[in-house]
Amino acid sequence: GNSVTQMEGPVTLSEEAFLTINCTYTATGYPSLFWYVQYPGEGLQLLLKATKADDKGSNKGFEATYRKETTSFHLEKGSVQVSDSAVYFCALSSGGSNYKLTFGKGTLLTVNP
Amino acid sequence: AAGVIQSPRHLIKEKRETATLKCYPIPRHDTVYWYQQGPGQDPQFLISFYEKMQSDKGSIPDRFSAQQFSDYHSELNMSSLELGDSALYFCASRQASAKNIQYFGAGTRLSVL
Repeated sequence: GNSVTQMEGPVTLSEEAFLTINCTYTATGYPSLFWYVQYPGEGLQLLLKATKADDKGSNKGFEATYRKETTSFHLEKGSVQVSDSAVYFCALSSGGSNYKLTFGKGTLLTVNP
Repeated sequence: AAGVIQSPRHLIKEKRETATLKCYPIPRHDTVYWYQQGPGQDPQFLISFYEKMQSDKGSIPDRFSAQQFSDYHSELNMSSLELGDSALYFCASRQASAKNIQYFGAGTRLSVL
């Protein structure tokens, strides 16, 4: 079955630091890959996605590249802000599984001023 | 733009009571997913519907049932509530032709006392 393994936090950074959150996956077929963000007390927001190998998803300064050879989809941002403090979930979906999402355990990011 | 609407936002119940959670998908979205997120956990897939028919089933207890109605809204019915059912319940909707993107509601926070 499908599974997602992501770096568990918490991760604490200073403002303007570089961020990497690792994510690897196991899936049959060719899944789509996602990063979702959850701010305190709120729902899940789609941050970025990639649907095929070598695609790069990007949004709000965050980037992730779909690497089929290493089955990875690491999230990066060059300069984090206090407002980026949230929980980040890596997820995948595939047509063979009705496109339901399989999530990683989530990574809590705290950015200090 | 219209989003996924979930009601109620918060619900407090006693053990052994019943609860009904409602989800109104984005207009023209024909697929609905339900997820359960326990405290500090990743969201877990419960059940999904496509065109008013159940399309997939995950780790949903037998005490729970769900359906999708003719107007595409969905309801998750939970009976004989247990303390462990306390969680955030998310609904997400998708347009089948758009394949990969699910849009999440803000969630219903259920507390079982």
